[in-house]
Amino acid sequence: DAKTTQPNSMESNEEEPVHLPCNHSTISGTDYIHWYRQLPSQGPEYVIHGLTSNVNNRMASLAIAEDRKSSTLILHRATLRDAAVYYCILRDEANFGNEKLTFGTGTRLTIIP
Amino acid sequence: GAVVSQHPSWVICKSGTSVKIECRSLDFQATTMFWYRQFPKQSLMLMATSNEGSKATYEQGVEKDKFLINHASLTLSTLTVTSAHPEDSSFYICSARVPGGGPDTQYFGPGTRLTVL
Repeated sequence: DAKTTQPNSMESNEEEPVHLPCNHSTISGTDYIHWYRQLPSQGPEYVIHGLTSNVNNRMASLAIAEDRKSSTLILHRATLRDAAVYYCILRDEANFGNEKLTFGTGTRLTIIP
Repeated sequence: GAVVSQHPSWVICKSGTSVKIECRSLDFQATTMFWYRQFPKQSLMLMATSNEGSKATYEQGVEKDKFLINHASLTLSTLTVTSAHPEDSSFYICSARVPGGGPDTQYFGPGTRLTVL
């Protein structure tokens, strides 16, 4: 799976939108962009994934650049419970049957009350 | 969504003893489960893939004789840390996916924090 680059840490004020960037300049045509997050002292949880089009779900939105070399996870209104490490992971469609995930360093998001 | 549990949630043991960690899929059957290890302030590192009814597949650099994995049923995988030492102190996390489900159906356990004195 191709590599991703994320900022080590970010801060945001509570109840404001948060934009978490991810660069993946070596992404291939069959790589899906996945986001997971890990709350303190817990296992990771799935947030969202996409291929080319922007995606929305109850947790977040995923904005994918037209050239697919970068993406942004958007939390529309951050709460204290959103404080976590957010991981951007690329997974080749051919590997969907292989469920193991390769985690990078992620972005540690701090929410300021 | 589906639930993956781990037991115990934390354990403290003396150096040289063995510790068993259980990973259960509570409301689905998982033919494959994954074990990860996470040191403080670091990312998750995959240790091994646990396959029901067969031997586990270990990642490069992980000692299979030290980290014994048994996937005896479709809902239970165990990781035994044998002859534990302080450097084995870590956060151990398992995961499983609902068979036939999409990427959003991979679930992680809450983790087990192991401290070896």
